[in-house]
Amino acid sequence: EDQVTQSPEALRLQEGESSSLNCSYTVSGLRGLFWYRQDPGKGPEFLFTLYSAGEEKEKERLKATLTKKESFLHITAPKPEDSATYLCAVQASNDYKLSFGAGTTVTVRA
Amino acid sequence: DSGVTQTPKHLITATGQRVTLRCSPRSGDLSVYWYQQSLDQGLQFLIQYYNGEERAKGNILERFSAQQFPDLHSELNLSSLELGDSALYFCASSAWGMNTEAFFGQGTRLTVV
Repeated sequence: EDQVTQSPEALRLQEGESSSLNCSYTVSGLRGLFWYRQDPGKGPEFLFTLYSAGEEKEKERLKATLTKKESFLHITAPKPEDSATYLCAVQASNDYKLSFGAGTTVTVRA
Repeated sequence: DSGVTQTPKHLITATGQRVTLRCSPRSGDLSVYWYQQSLDQGLQFLIQYYNGEERAKGNILERFSAQQFPDLHSELNLSSLELGDSALYFCASSAWGMNTEAFFGQGTRLTVV
């Protein structure tokens, strides 16, 4: 069974204080690894898809990287509007569903 | 706005009742997924439909069922509701079953009292 573990559970940052979130996964053949952002009471918002080890993608202050066993979401010089729960999910090559981790809740203080 | 529409946004009902949640996927998307999110469980995959056919099943209870109609909208039916069924129910859609990005709706918050 696919397993996705995210750490830390919660992260409190000062505005401008860069940090990284970790997503470690176990899957029988990776089709894709996905990052989503979720605000309270809202649906997950798609951020990135990574397909192979070594791949990197960037969007504004966010950068996602992928190795064979884990992915990192780097937040550079965060702002209060980056406060959210960040979810990692994997899709196995022989399956359709996304298996999600529990998420990392990021709080950025001004 | 993801383009995925879910109705209703909120639903309050009593134990033992039956409810139907509705999802309209993004224009052109053939695949619809249903997820349940509760405080202690995170996002749990329930079921997937592709172009009207069931494609994958997750941890969906026998009291729950879903279907996808010819116009590609989908409905999730929850029956014999229990207090523990209170959760956010999300629908997501993607372009085709094996593809990558799934876009989520804003969810239906179900409260069973």
